[in-house]
Amino acid sequence: GIQVEQSPPDLILQEGANSTLRCNFSDSVNNLQWFHQNPWGQLINLFYIPSGTKQNGRLSATTVATERYSLLYISSSQTTDSGVYFCAVPRGYGNKLVFGAGTILRVKS
Amino acid sequence: GAGVSQSPRYKVAKRGQDVALRCDPISGHVSLFWYQQALGQGPEFLTYFQNEAQLDKSGLPSDRFFAERPEGSVSTLKIQRTQQEDSAVYLCASSLAPGQRKETQYFGPGTRLLVL
Repeated sequence: GIQVEQSPPDLILQEGANSTLRCNFSDSVNNLQWFHQNPWGQLINLFYIPSGTKQNGRLSATTVATERYSLLYISSSQTTDSGVYFCAVPRGYGNKLVFGAGTILRVKS
Repeated sequence: GAGVSQSPRYKVAKRGQDVALRCDPISGHVSLFWYQQALGQGPEFLTYFQNEAQLDKSGLPSDRFFAERPEGSVSTLKIQRTQQEDSAVYLCASSLAPGQRKETQYFGPGTRLLVL
């Protein structure tokens, strides 16, 4: 099956710093989602981004499908950005999601 | 509108007990998924429903796990004779349309199951 790898596994930032999270996948995909799992465990949709670039406030994402990777940019990080960031791709009948292992982000004030 | 809801939010069970976890998807969503998330890992697929039909149960770890969605809306995941390795967060997600690669899945808050 498809492999989804995320890097770095964890990241500590000072408030106000910028960061880039990476997601590599081993096969072609028609869709990719980025999620933020907050400290209470809720998975929050950030982006649906099969290709190209999207921006939402301080967050933006870019997927280069031909090179099988996606990037999530966080600018001017805030303590509320802390949590785990997952990328996921659909596979198989029904489009069940295959998740990466996540990047743990801690933003210090 | 309301998102995906799950109950209970927390469940402590003694080993060997049966448990039932409930998911209320977003109204009108045809597709419903269950995932299991072990501590420190990403969610892993368990089973998929399109309306009331269970079309993929390839991720269920054993025959102790059973899921149903009898009227095509609310779903229940049942675990019989729970074991300690069943301790995890069980996540439910729904999406609007089946089989279309561009439909976003929306997740509930999860049920944290601890088996003692």
